[in-house]
Amino acid sequence: NAGVTQTPKFRVLKTGQSMTLLCAQDMNHEYMYWYRQDPGMGLRLIHYSVGEGTTAKGEVPDGYNVSRLKKQNFLLGLESAAPSQTSVYFCASSQGVNYGYTFGSGTRLTVV
Amino acid sequence: QKEVEQDPGPLSVPEGAIVSLNCTYSNSAFQYFMWYRQYSRKGPELLMYTYSSGNKEDGRFTAQVDKSSKYISLFIRDSQPSDSATYLCAMSLNAGNNRKLIWGLGTSLAVNP
Repeated sequence: NAGVTQTPKFRVLKTGQSMTLLCAQDMNHEYMYWYRQDPGMGLRLIHYSVGEGTTAKGEVPDGYNVSRLKKQNFLLGLESAAPSQTSVYFCASSQGVNYGYTFGSGTRLTVV
Repeated sequence: QKEVEQDPGPLSVPEGAIVSLNCTYSNSAFQYFMWYRQYSRKGPELLMYTYSSGNKEDGRFTAQVDKSSKYISLFIRDSQPSDSATYLCAMSLNAGNNRKLIWGLGTSLAVNP
């Protein structure tokens, strides 16, 4: 049972490049989330999904897009990367907001 | 004022000590309270989960919620070097009112052998 798997684990992008972060969960969870974690800022919610085919904005959605075409996958896209998007990105899933979250191991993204 | 306040530390204790980690919050409507542990360069993992007020114990860990004071605590007994990590509190409203957890910034704990 893998839980939540994030790919890639590390990435360096040049300003203006695009990329997609993939999150996959095998627990049949309805809810999935994308967070970024920065020193002094804590975990901030980027986008989330309450079920297949649905997405919603979190606290810091600008510059990111998401898709949830399949229940087990939640993709985070950066269309035109900026240095301010240098961060550690975590995906999480849960049965619901008032259940515990299972997190992936993170993607360390550097935009130069 | 942040909705959830957590002292970032760092907190350094000797092995075997009792550790107390705390969060305060401003929204009296929070009903669900969680503690997560995050090791360096890893994702957070759920440690304790409490609904409403009271205590919950799991091995060396005890979670306490005092809704009248808007204060939650995590106690670690007989602390071990393997407990060295960042501890994050998180909370949410009643089911159906919100879709987000509100997070503290985390307290860094070092347990020294």
